[in-house]
Amino acid sequence: KAGVTQTPRYLIKTRGQQVTLSCSPISGHRSVSWYQQTPGQGLQFLFEYFSETQRNKGNFPGRFSGRQFSNSRSEMNVSTLELGDSALYLCASSLVLAGGLGNEQFFGPGTRLTVL
Amino acid sequence: AQKITQTQPGMFVQEKEAVTLDCTYDTSDPSYGLFWYKQPSSGEMIFLIYQGSYDQQNATEGRYSLNFQKARKSANLVISASQLGDSAMYFCAIENNAGNMLTFGGGTRLMVKP
Repeated sequence: KAGVTQTPRYLIKTRGQQVTLSCSPISGHRSVSWYQQTPGQGLQFLFEYFSETQRNKGNFPGRFSGRQFSNSRSEMNVSTLELGDSALYLCASSLVLAGGLGNEQFFGPGTRLTVL
Repeated sequence: AQKITQTQPGMFVQEKEAVTLDCTYDTSDPSYGLFWYKQPSSGEMIFLIYQGSYDQQNATEGRYSLNFQKARKSANLVISASQLGDSAMYFCAIENNAGNMLTFGGGTRLMVKP
């Protein structure tokens, strides 16, 4: 079974630009979550999508947005990039179990975004 | 709000020895789950082990075991017989009661010495 894939793997942008990152979950997984990892702030939850609906959102400004398509693939968009947005963006998919807990999240390799 | 604290920024262990990575947590949810992930230098997060708050026994997965002490709110990871390939960052995480969001600790960098 193929794992979670993320494209592109590396990206260089300049301040003020916008960027779109893509995530394809494991086949059959309907939940997709996004995380930002930086040396200063560590791993932080961005948002989670399930069946094309955002179910949970972390504490990030509105410049960060996402969506999920009917095939469960997800994209996240960052508009008006700032230097502080340079980070590793990780996508994770999970097979949602009844009862909610214990949903192992399978992570992709990440997209490393550098903002100059 | 949930919080995870990992107090060991870095640790060394001799190859073939056991090592314990500390994790304490704080949550007001009556039900929750605790995860440990490994992150090699490549960046990908690798699932190691899971413990549910109502699980009666400590979780084990091969060389990994979780020392879960609910009253003390700790969920330490024990790696037995360390291998050179165990050198990586290790993250403890807690899931919210809806099971769709993880809060991570700051991580521990483990270095295995030959």
